[in-house]
Amino acid sequence: DAKTTQPPSMDCAEGRAANLPCNHSTISGNEYVYWYRQIHSQGPQYIIHGLKNNETNEMASLIITEDRKSSTLILPHATLRDTAVYYCIVKRYGNKLVFGAGTILRVKS
Amino acid sequence: SQTIHQWPATLVQPVGSPLSLECTVEGTSNPNLYWYRQAAGRGLQLLFYSVGIGQISSEVPQNLSASRPQDRQFILSSKKLLLSDSGFYLCAWNLWEETQYFGPGTRLLVL
Repeated sequence: DAKTTQPPSMDCAEGRAANLPCNHSTISGNEYVYWYRQIHSQGPQYIIHGLKNNETNEMASLIITEDRKSSTLILPHATLRDTAVYYCIVKRYGNKLVFGAGTILRVKS
Repeated sequence: SQTIHQWPATLVQPVGSPLSLECTVEGTSNPNLYWYRQAAGRGLQLLFYSVGIGQISSEVPQNLSASRPQDRQFILSSKKLLLSDSGFYLCAWNLWEETQYFGPGTRLLVL
């Protein structure tokens, strides 16, 4: 599975959009981009995933560039409860999840 | 809807003592089941996964073992705990190779 690169930490003002980038320049055509988050002392929570097209659900939007070498997770109106570690994972269908260090998102009032 | 349970939530055990952590899934059949460990300040590491009763695959050599006595039950065990076994243990499930969903975790401290 392709490796991902994420910034170690980011800050966001409460109520504003949080845009979390992920670089996956070696992604191959059959690999999906998954996003999970882990709030302190809890299990990881699935957020969203996509292959080529942009995706949106009740939690977030996932924007994948046309060349698929990078993506952005967007939390449209961040709240204090969105403070967590966000993991971007690239994986082929059938392979296991491999978690990296992720991005620590701090939402501040 | 499906739910996943883990217990205990927190455990403090002396070095050399045995361990048994349990994970159960409700609301689905024939799930794939996974055990992960997260050491303090570190990422998640896959320890074991199971695609069916009695079928266990180990991802890393270690002091732990896993068993799946029933379709929706996954157990993580050790005969003698080491200090390095301390961490946050997470169980997860999915169907086929679709999205994995995680349980609340068990925090283990070995003293």
